[in-house]
Amino acid sequence: AQSVTQLGSHVSVSEGALVLLRCNYSSSVPPYLFWYVQYPNQGLQLLLKYTTGATLVKGINGFEAEFKKSETSFHLTKPSAHMSDAAEYFCAVSELGGGFKTIFGAGTRLFVKA
Amino acid sequence: GAGVSQTPSNKVTEKGKYVELRCDPISGHTALYWYRQSLGQGPEFLIYFQGTGAADDSGLPNDRFFAVRPEGSVSTLKIQRTERGDSAVYLCASSLVTFSGAGSSGANVLTFGAGSRLTVL
Repeated sequence: AQSVTQLGSHVSVSEGALVLLRCNYSSSVPPYLFWYVQYPNQGLQLLLKYTTGATLVKGINGFEAEFKKSETSFHLTKPSAHMSDAAEYFCAVSELGGGFKTIFGAGTRLFVKA
Repeated sequence: GAGVSQTPSNKVTEKGKYVELRCDPISGHTALYWYRQSLGQGPEFLIYFQGTGAADDSGLPNDRFFAVRPEGSVSTLKIQRTERGDSAVYLCASSLVTFSGAGSSGANVLTFGAGSRLTVL
């Protein structure tokens, strides 16, 4: 069965600094991997996804993530944080060819300081 | 519709009462998912439908929880004899994913509704 671990329930960065949100997954078959974002008082929305092919994927708002099979990781990065990036970020996994149950991590809340 | 619609947006009920939460998915989306999100937690999988049938209900916590999708579109999550621990935001999501005998094709990108916040007093 698949699972997701997000390291750090809260991350705080200064505006303009690098954002790094960590995600490790467990899956018995090739996974699909996702990052979703939840802005205050809004619903969850897709930030980016990895299916197959290129391991570095780019998403909206300058975010990107790299799938590293050897490390079972899918960390989310952004070179320069903006105040508007403050939100909760969820890593998720579903299994290729399986039942498509998507499992979410506990989330990481990103704070951006001026 | 243009997005996933959930009603009611807020529901306050008393312990022991029956509750129904409704989800209207994006038109044409064949897969529909229910999740529960407690404060400070990620979405917890409850059940997912492919068409009218429940393809995976392994996340339903107990037999007080039940969900239906009779015509393959709108779904209703039903909670009987509510308990205070049922208080949470219930999220519905839909996706356009095709299935074949070999499995599924395409990543199941979920489009979420705004959620129904349930408070059991």
